[in-house]
Amino acid sequence: ETGVTQTPRHLVMGMTNKKSLKCEQHLGHNAMYWYKQSAKKPLELMFVYNFKEQTENNSVPSRFSPECPNSSHLFLHLHTLQPEDSALYLCASSPYPGQLYEQYFGPGTRLTVT
Amino acid sequence: GEDVEQSLFLSVREGDSSVINCTYTDSSSTYLYWYKQEPGAGLQLLTYIFSNMDMKQDQRLTVLLNKKDKHLSLRIADTQTGDSAIYFCAENEGKDTGFQKLVFGTGTRLLVSP
Repeated sequence: ETGVTQTPRHLVMGMTNKKSLKCEQHLGHNAMYWYKQSAKKPLELMFVYNFKEQTENNSVPSRFSPECPNSSHLFLHLHTLQPEDSALYLCASSPYPGQLYEQYFGPGTRLTVT
Repeated sequence: GEDVEQSLFLSVREGDSSVINCTYTDSSSTYLYWYKQEPGAGLQLLTYIFSNMDMKQDQRLTVLLNKKDKHLSLRIADTQTGDSAIYFCAENEGKDTGFQKLVFGTGTRLLVSP
C-alpha cells in the first residue's frame, strides 16, 4: 500500500454506538492530521499530531477522541455522536507540521450518524 | 479566525478556460494553495504560490495573486472533463506560533460538460 489509507470508507452508526476510524500513512511522515469535511462548509482541522504528540486540538468536542500510537497510525474514536457529526472525515500526513510541507490526504471515511 | 471564501459552483464547456476565484483574510500568509478533490478521493495539492509572487504558471494552470485585494485565482486552460472536481483554496495561518496550519475555503465544484 502506498500513500495515506483510511478505513472504513463508509460508516453508519447510531448515536449510542462506539466506533473508531483508522488512518495509516506509508510515506515516512512525522505529522498526521484529522479534518472534518461537511457539505458547503470549509474543511475544518480537528487534530494535529507531531511525532505522536498532539500539538493541536481545534476545540473539538470530547465525543471525538484521537489516538496516535506511532507516526504511521492515527485513530479517531467516536462515541455518543450527534446527527450533525455526519460528514467526511479526512486524514492527512506531512513530513512535519508546517506550511512548507505538502499535506497528503487519504480518501476519507464517510460517516453517517442516525 | 481567518476566512477563505470561494464561490460554490462553476460550470464550463470542454475546451473553454475555467477561472476559480478565492478571497482570503490573513495578510501575513506566506503561501497560498490550490487543492483538488476528485469524487471519492482525498485532497491533492495542485499548486501553490509564494506571497511575494504575482503569478505562477504550470502547464495548463495559471495562479494569479493580488495581495492588495487578498484575491487568488486559478485559471485552467483548455478545460477537460477530467478536470471536473472540487477545488479548494487554502492559506497558511499562524506565522508566529511556530506551527503553521492550513485554512481552507468551502471549495468550488467545477463541472465540465462535453
